[in-house]
Amino acid sequence: AQKITQTQPGMFVQEKEAVTLDCTYDTSDQSYGLFWYKQPSSGEMIFLIYQGSYDEQNATEGRYSLNFQKARKSANLVISASQLGDSAMYFCAMRDSGANSKLTFGKGITLSVRP
Amino acid sequence: DAGITQSPRHKVTETGTPVTLRCHQTENHRYMYWYRQDPGHGLRLIHYSYGVKDTDKGEVSDGYSVSRSKTEDFLLTLESATSSQTSVYFCAISDQGLPGELFFGEGSRLTVL
Repeated sequence: AQKITQTQPGMFVQEKEAVTLDCTYDTSDQSYGLFWYKQPSSGEMIFLIYQGSYDEQNATEGRYSLNFQKARKSANLVISASQLGDSAMYFCAMRDSGANSKLTFGKGITLSVRP
Repeated sequence: DAGITQSPRHKVTETGTPVTLRCHQTENHRYMYWYRQDPGHGLRLIHYSYGVKDTDKGEVSDGYSVSRSKTEDFLLTLESATSSQTSVYFCAISDQGLPGELFFGEGSRLTVL
């Protein structure tokens, strides 16, 4: 069974600083994908970034990058140059490559950006 | 934005009554999912569908049933609502396996008194 672990308590970061949100996962599959979603206080789920298990390069999307360490089964999200609008809940998720695959989420991390 | 509509967006009901939440998509995507979100638990999968009339259970399926009689609609039914089913329910859709980004609806807040 797949498992996603996000254990950090609420995180705080100063505006314009970088922050790393931790995510570890457990799976017996060789082919899988890792996702990060953002949920602001308004409640919608916003896709941020995706990393495939066979991707050799770490994924990047603007200010977001994913620090993928396959041997350690970690997929940490790095947000550079934090902005006040980055204050939100962040979820790590994993999906296997099966034909009927589903997305499994972690419990989430709350990030607060201080001015 | 992906065309996903959840209804109702807000509902208050009493213990023991049946409740049906509807997820409607205009994207013709194959996969549809129902999640519930509760503080401290993140999003937990209730049921999902990988095609018309093809559904499977997620990790918290007890007390819930689903139906998908056509591609665009995925219904979540609480046969006899309980207070533990008070939650925010999200529908999501995807058009493929990996990478397969999920697109989410806006959520439905259900309160069971």
